[in-house]
Amino acid sequence: DAGVIQSPRHEVTEMGQEVTLRCKPISGHNSLFWYRQTMMRGLELLIYFNNNVPIDDSGMPEDRFSAKMPNASFSTLKIQPSEPRDSAVYFCASSTGDSQETQYFGPGTRLLVL
Amino acid sequence: LAKTTQPISMDSYEGQEVNITCSHNNIATNDYITWYQQFPSQGPRFIIQGYKTKVTNEVASLFIPADRKSSTLSLPRVSLSDTAVYYCLVGSRSTSGTYKYIFGTGTRLKVLA
Repeated sequence: DAGVIQSPRHEVTEMGQEVTLRCKPISGHNSLFWYRQTMMRGLELLIYFNNNVPIDDSGMPEDRFSAKMPNASFSTLKIQPSEPRDSAVYFCASSTGDSQETQYFGPGTRLLVL
Repeated sequence: LAKTTQPISMDSYEGQEVNITCSHNNIATNDYITWYQQFPSQGPRFIIQGYKTKVTNEVASLFIPADRKSSTLSLPRVSLSDTAVYYCLVGSRSTSGTYKYIFGTGTRLKVLA
C-alpha cells in the first residue's frame, strides 16, 4: 500500500514563477483534499474533490491558485504567479468519501518562494 | 460551522495518561469528531473518531459527553514517541451541502523522560 504520493517533496522558486504540485491519491479513494499548513494559520483546507469533481474551493486564497483532477489517480495544485507569502507545506489527502471518512495524508510538499 | 478550540501545548512524563480536551460548541447533530496526530515533517495521521459516549482503539480512547460540545482524547501510558501535535477535527455540513473541515490550532504534546 503506497499511500498518498506527493511530488515534489521540496520546491524552491522565485517570486513570479509558476509552481505545480502533484498528488496521487490512494487507489479506490474517491475524495481528494488539498491543505496548506503554515505556522500562522495552521492547517487550512483549500479545495476538495469528490469523484474528480471540485466540490468546495472556498478555501482557495485567490485566483492565482487553481486545482485540477483530470482522473481518479491524479491531481494538481498550481500557483501562478507565486509570491513569498505562498511559502508553506502543502498536503494532499484522500478518503473513501467526503463526509466523515478518515482522511489519509501524503508527506507534503514544502514550498519556499523567494 | 463547528470551530474547535484546544490547549496550545501540554507536557507529560513517560508512563502517564494524557488527556487532551477539544471544545466544539457549535457541533451539529450529524457531525463526527476526529483526532489526528502529526509528527514533524509528516502529514497528519488518523488516531480515532467518534460520535458520542466512548470509543476505544489500540492507541487511544475518545470520550464525548452527552451534549457533544467537547471531546477528550486520552492517551494511556505515553512514551517519548508520542511527542507530536494532536488535532481535533469536526467535519461540518454547510447549508450548501458541502463539508467544511476545520482543523483547530492543535495541541503540542511533549513527553519527557
